Amino acid sequence: DGGITQSPKYLFRKEGQNVTLSCEQNLNHDAMYWYRQDPGQGLRLIYYSQIVNDFQKGDIAEGYSVSREKKESFPLTVTSAQKNPTAFYLCASSMDYSYNSPLHFGNGTRLTVT
Amino acid sequence: AQSVTQLGSHVSVSEGALVLLRCNYSSSVPPYLFWYVQYPNQGLQLLLKYTTGATLVKGINGFEAEFKKSETSFHLTKPSAHMSDAAEYFCAVSDLLGKTSYDKVIFGPGTSLSVIP
Repeated sequence: DGGITQSPKYLFRKEGQNVTLSCEQNLNHDAMYWYRQDPGQGLRLIYYSQIVNDFQKGDIAEGYSVSREKKESFPLTVTSAQKNPTAFYLCASSMDYSYNSPLHFGNGTRLTVT
Repeated sequence: AQSVTQLGSHVSVSEGALVLLRCNYSSSVPPYLFWYVQYPNQGLQLLLKYTTGATLVKGINGFEAEFKKSETSFHLTKPSAHMSDAAEYFCAVSDLLGKTSYDKVIFGPGTSLSVIP
C-alpha cells in the first residue's frame, strides 16, 4: 500500500541539539509539506515543496530547515534556534498543484526537547 | 485574510445520536472545503471534500457535509454516532485567493468529538 512514513514516532532531545525528522512517501506525489501541531492550535505550515530541489517557507519556518533531494523524501531539521520545539510534527503530500488535491498525512513524530 | 472557525472545541454525543460539527469560513470567493479526522497519535485522514457541483457531499464512515454559500458554512454530520467516531475533526479550506495552492490551505482549530456509551 502507498503512503507516507514518518520516523521515528517518538523523539527525545536535549536543548541545543539539532534533530532531523524523516518523511518518505511512495505515492509518487509532487508536493510535500511539514506541519506542526500544538494542542488547541490546529496545524501550522512550516515548509512545503512543490518539486524536487525546490522548497518554500510556510507560516512558521524560523528555526527549521528542509531539503528535497529526492521526490520521495522531505526531511525536516529542527535546529537549536527553534525556541519551542516540543510538538507533534506531521508530514503530508499531495498529488498535484491543484487547489482541490487533498493532503495525505503520515502518522507523525512527537518531539520532546528538555 | 481567510479564516476557518469551528464552533465548539469539544463536542460530546451519546452513541446512536446525531453528530453535528460546525465549520464556517470567511471568504468572498467560495473556496474548496475539506474535513479531516485525526485519531489519537496519528496523522489526519481525509473524510470528504467539496470542490464544485452538488453541495451535499458524502464521505467515508457515514459522514456527510453540506456547503451553504449563503451561510459560508460546511458543517459535518452523521446520523448515528458510533464509539469509533471519537476523534479530532478538522475543517480545512483551500483559499483560491492565495498566492499558490500550497501555502493557503488553512485549517480550523479542530473539534474533539467524544462518544458516550
